[in-house]
Amino acid sequence: QKEVEQNSGPLSVPEGAIASLNCTYSDRGSQSFFWYRQYSGKSPELIMFIYSNGDKEDGRFTAQLNKASQYVSLLIRDSQPSDSATYLCAVNGDYKLSFGAGTTVTVRA
Amino acid sequence: DTGVSQNPRHKITKRGQNVTFRCDPISEHNRLYWYRQTLGQGPEFLTYFQNEAQLEKSRLLSDRFSAERPKGSFSTLEIQRTEQGDSAMYLCASSLVSQGGHSPLHFGNGTRLTVT
Repeated sequence: QKEVEQNSGPLSVPEGAIASLNCTYSDRGSQSFFWYRQYSGKSPELIMFIYSNGDKEDGRFTAQLNKASQYVSLLIRDSQPSDSATYLCAVNGDYKLSFGAGTTVTVRA
Repeated sequence: DTGVSQNPRHKITKRGQNVTFRCDPISEHNRLYWYRQTLGQGPEFLTYFQNEAQLEKSRLLSDRFSAERPKGSFSTLEIQRTEQGDSAMYLCASSLVSQGGHSPLHFGNGTRLTVT
């Protein structure tokens, strides 16, 4: 079992819709969870982090964490063409971040 | 905060040659990480430093790979006797670890290695 698994893409959504991305992790002791956005050919950039169960909102992005279910998600509201990218879920272990393979999102104009 | 800087941005080399990459982290960050990413995959952990000490290496890391961080500032990653399978994006990231917690990783622009 992989440490971090993300729902397989690609995910195509119309402009203005909600994009929903899911991630599960195997280490029950993980405490910190991150979402990175990566444009093609570029390096990952941090868009959100969450440490506590529940929801955390930042602009059009909402991260949701459920430690009991070992599940973290990212919602992108009012999706824009500029949101088209690969979204990486990352989970903090003892000393490193473990990444999922990413979900590619395409926002159709 | 000038961000994490990596050089070179691109490197093309022939199989069997040695290559060295450099990373300059965010100045106040005490942790430095090296990751490798191939197409369609997430970044894969290679090694990390806390100040000048290399504290962990991935067991997947061949002994052809070596990293240093002299004086706890910049870091270099050397790959000896490169193989075609080494072709990837090599990402450096830094973070600040303190009693108050652990900041997120901030990545550099990466070095794309192509081994022909």
